[in-house]
Amino acid sequence: DTGVSQDPRHKITKRGQNVTFRCDPISEHNRLYWYRQTLGQGPEFLTYFQNEAQLEKSRLLSDRFSAERPKGSFSTLEIQRTEQGDSAMYLCASSPNSGTSGGTYNEQFFGPGTRLTVL
Amino acid sequence: QKEVEQDPGPLSVPEGAIVSLNCTYSNSAFQYFMWYRQYSRKGPELLMYTYSSGNKEDGRFTAQVDKSSKYISLFIRDSQPSDSATYLCASGGNNRLAFGKGNQVVVIP
Repeated sequence: DTGVSQDPRHKITKRGQNVTFRCDPISEHNRLYWYRQTLGQGPEFLTYFQNEAQLEKSRLLSDRFSAERPKGSFSTLEIQRTEQGDSAMYLCASSPNSGTSGGTYNEQFFGPGTRLTVL
Repeated sequence: QKEVEQDPGPLSVPEGAIVSLNCTYSNSAFQYFMWYRQYSRKGPELLMYTYSSGNKEDGRFTAQVDKSSKYISLFIRDSQPSDSATYLCASGGNNRLAFGKGNQVVVIP
């Protein structure tokens, strides 16, 4: 399967615990995005990377959230001191190269998501 | 005001009917317009992608964008029970996408 993959698919944790999610983008894509989706809502942008550089962060990304993409390949999203309001589906997406190489660099392909439940 | 507004009401149609879905957006800088299909507890699947105004057709699906009125539409012809899903419109510039809330569509056999 050459699509975006995410791990784990489900995570149940107790309030106050730290959790970390992983995303593996489509291999030739250099842009990687994180979104959060709650029930009955569309995905909300959290942050995005171009290669290893984190270029934009949403106001939704509080200081308890941190994302990394150390070698420009996979990415991790960590939530520290989880709260019940963090319960949501965390989605990762990737898009093709931008700039002179062409391609449609905002054509974002999503992974299956990690469903987080904070008890 | 959200950047992309999509009336989230559910929609039930008989098999074979035309499904019509609409969104509006507010950010004039948005250049890219997408429709995603999402099945329950799954990630969104890119269905249609358009750049700038105009129509794009792919099989039974037609996407329309009118930048003058900031209006995005999706039409599904000859709807099938397998089309039952939530449809999300999205729009963006060079970076993030802003999504509507989604429309749950049920196609009744």
